[in-house]
Amino acid sequence: DAKTTQPPSMDCAEGRAANLPCNHSTISGNEYVYWYRQIHSQGPQYIIHGLKNNETNEMASLIITEDRKSSTLILPHATLRDTAVYYCIAPNTPLVFGKGTRLSVIA
Amino acid sequence: ETGVTQSPTHLIKTRGQQVTLRCSSQSGHNTVSWYQQALGQGPQFIFQYYREEENGRGNFPPRFSGLQFPNYSSELNVNALELDDSALYLCASSLSGAKNQPQHFGDGTRLSIL
Repeated sequence: DAKTTQPPSMDCAEGRAANLPCNHSTISGNEYVYWYRQIHSQGPQYIIHGLKNNETNEMASLIITEDRKSSTLILPHATLRDTAVYYCIAPNTPLVFGKGTRLSVIA
Repeated sequence: ETGVTQSPTHLIKTRGQQVTLRCSSQSGHNTVSWYQQALGQGPQFIFQYYREEENGRGNFPPRFSGLQFPNYSSELNVNALELDDSALYLCASSLSGAKNQPQHFGDGTRLSIL
């Protein structure tokens, strides 16, 4: 299973883009990268996943490097409600949660 | 579409007791996974159920057991409760058969052991 590395914390001004990096240099060719977030006192929430190509949905964009050793989750216009712990995970079953990145969106 | 629901939301037990936690999977999902999240830590995988059979287990002792029912709902049972079992217990459901399907979580049951 791939091991992921994320910065422990980040700050972002409200309305600006939040770019959360993740290193997954040991990922194998058929393993997807998944992003979840956990807002205080709630269960983890699925955000997005991808294999090789960049992905976008209503919540975020996922940029995966060509060598697949790292990725970046982008929240294009962060709001206070995006304050949470963000987890980058590969693979999906079972989910292996690290410590994640604590994103604080500041007004 | 109904999401994952867990009951109860909070529970207090004493050491040595037994507890049963319940989970209703999201509609259309046939696989249920259980996780334990201690305070300040990320969730840790306990086990997964598919077609009413255990389909993978994390590093948890046998006193942690589970069931999955024909309607895909699930129970987590913990016997001989210990103080360290105090945690948030999370259930996640997914659709097996397609490897890239994400898991969807409930908001958990917070278990406190006195």
